[in-house]
Amino acid sequence: AQSVTQLDSQVPVFEEAPVELRCNYSSSVSVYLFWYVQYPNQGLQLLLKYLSGSTLVKSINGFEAEFNKSQTSFHLRKPSVHISDTAEYFCAVSNAGGTSYGKLTFGQGTILTVHP
Amino acid sequence: IAGITQAPTSQILAAGRRMTLRCTQDMRHNAMYWYRQDLGLGLRLIHYSNTAGTTGKGEVPDGYSVSRANTDDFPLTLASAVPSQTSVYFCASSESKADTQYFGPGTRLTVL
Repeated sequence: AQSVTQLDSQVPVFEEAPVELRCNYSSSVSVYLFWYVQYPNQGLQLLLKYLSGSTLVKSINGFEAEFNKSQTSFHLRKPSVHISDTAEYFCAVSNAGGTSYGKLTFGQGTILTVHP
Repeated sequence: IAGITQAPTSQILAAGRRMTLRCTQDMRHNAMYWYRQDLGLGLRLIHYSNTAGTTGKGEVPDGYSVSRANTDDFPLTLASAVPSQTSVYFCASSESKADTQYFGPGTRLTVL
């Protein structure tokens, strides 16, 4: 079975500072990896995803994540955060094949709070 | 395009009562999912449907049932609600099993 661990439950940062939200996964097969963002009182929205190809993937609002197979990690980074980035971020994994193909397993979530 | 709608937005329910949470999508997606979100646990899959007419159990299916009579609708039923089912419930859909999942706004359910 696959699993996801988000190493930080809360990350406070100041505006314009860099941030890294950590995510490690475990799976016995190839995986697809996702980061979702949840703003207060809303559903989840896809931020970025890794399916195959380049291990560095980017979102339209400046976030990026790198798939590291040897370390089974998919950390999310942004070089300079804004107040509007305050939200809860979820890392998720799905198997790229097998009986669990397509089923997402989520991490516990990391609350990012950006202070002025 | 509305995407995914869920109803009700919130509900307070007495234990032992039957409750159906509604989910409708207008994207003609094949796959649909129900998750519950609990503090510190992230989202956990309750049931899923890869295509109309088929359903499957997720990580936490006990106490819940689903049906998929058509492409657009995927209701979740609690036959006899218990307090441990107090949670925020999210419905999601994707074009196929491994595609990006799109989430509804959620239903906040409190079972007393």
